Parts: sequence; C-alpha cells; structure tokens
Amino acid sequence: TQLLEQSPQFLSIQEGENLTVYCNSSSVFSSLQWYRQEPGEGPVLLVTVVTGGEVKKLKRLTFQFGDARKDSSLHITAAQPGDTGLYLCAGERPNTGNQFYFGTGTSLTVIP
Amino acid sequence: DTAVSQTPKYLVTQMGNDKSIKCEQNLGHDTMYWYKQDSKKFLKIMFSYNNKELIINETVPNRFSPKSPDKAHLNLHINSLELGDSAVYFCASSQGDQGPQHFGDGTRLSIL
Repeated sequence: TQLLEQSPQFLSIQEGENLTVYCNSSSVFSSLQWYRQEPGEGPVLLVTVVTGGEVKKLKRLTFQFGDARKDSSLHITAAQPGDTGLYLCAGERPNTGNQFYFGTGTSLTVIP
Repeated sequence: DTAVSQTPKYLVTQMGNDKSIKCEQNLGHDTMYWYKQDSKKFLKIMFSYNNKELIINETVPNRFSPKSPDKAHLNLHINSLELGDSAVYFCASSQGDQGPQHFGDGTRLSIL
C-alpha cells in the first residue's frame, strides 16, 4: 500500500468532457503538489496547496486540498487533447525534512 | 537553457557493472534530489541533498550513492547493477525544502 493513492489509475475521455482525479491518504501532509508528466519528460509542477480546504484554479484546472490535509482532488473542465498525460500528486509529510511522497499516478488520455 | 539536465538520457549495460548518471542544475537551487520511476510509473524518492545534509530513503540499497562536487551537481553512482535497477531515474532541484521541484527529463536505465 502506497502512502498516497490516486484514482482512477487510467482515464480515457472525449474532448470537452469534465473529469476529477483523486489523491487520498490516511496521513496528514504539510503541503501537497500536483504535477503533470508527458512521455519522455520529467514531471512539471502545476500547483502547490498548503492550507486545509484551499482551492486553487489554473485555467480549466481546479485543485482542492482536503480540510484535514489528507487528500486532494484535481478537476478538469472541458478537457482538451493537450491535457493528456500522467498526473501525479505529491505530499510533504511533516517533520520529514524535504522528502516528498508521490502518488500512484493517473494516466489521462483525452481523445479528440 | 535547460534548467535541470541529466546525462545520459539512455543507459544500457550489463548486470554487475558500475555506472554513473550525472545531473546539473543552473537554477541556483540549494536542494537536489534523485527519484526512481518504475515500470508502473510510480515515482519514489531516493535521496535529497543540500549543503547541510543528505537524507537517504531507507529502502535504497547501499549500492546507490549520490555524489555532489558542488551545489549545482548531484551525480548518482550505482555499483553492481542488478536487473531490478532497470527504471527511469529523475534528478530534480528546488530552492529550500518546500520550493517547487524542477525535474530533469530522466535517464532510462536498462540492465541486460
């Protein structure tokens, strides 16, 4: 069992549809980040959330940190083929120095 | 202009060999990391290092050793390579232990 479980693991949708990716844990995190990774490249940071209940928007992407800082969600509105990629959440555990624990990943394919 | 660069991009070698992967960042960051991404795309931290301390993930075999000649470089040396070491290895850097991490494009290591 991984510290951060993401669901779904795979998601294939049509262009224009909405979707939500979940990142869940039984542990509390100081902060949580979301990354997108494309084939052959490293992950690229999308957002960092720090406060419980925090909501951040990045164009069509909405990120929410759970009130208890144990979980997070990423909602994409009107998905586009350019959104295709591997989405990773990463949480920083308190008192562990600078170690981030990555989630199990969600592979998203948006079909034109 | 690459922020975090790794070399080589691909590394194919025989079991039992010793190899190194180099990483350089030109962002002026003070913290660097090595991650291993397995075939299921799970990204796991191996080391984090700044000018103060090296934090080692306890699950990393001692055949793996990071070497930092200066703040801008964190190389990964691997002794006695095993089949299970096959993966993509990512270097990353950040400013401070809570700053956003910038990843390299990865080194795909294949053990024959």
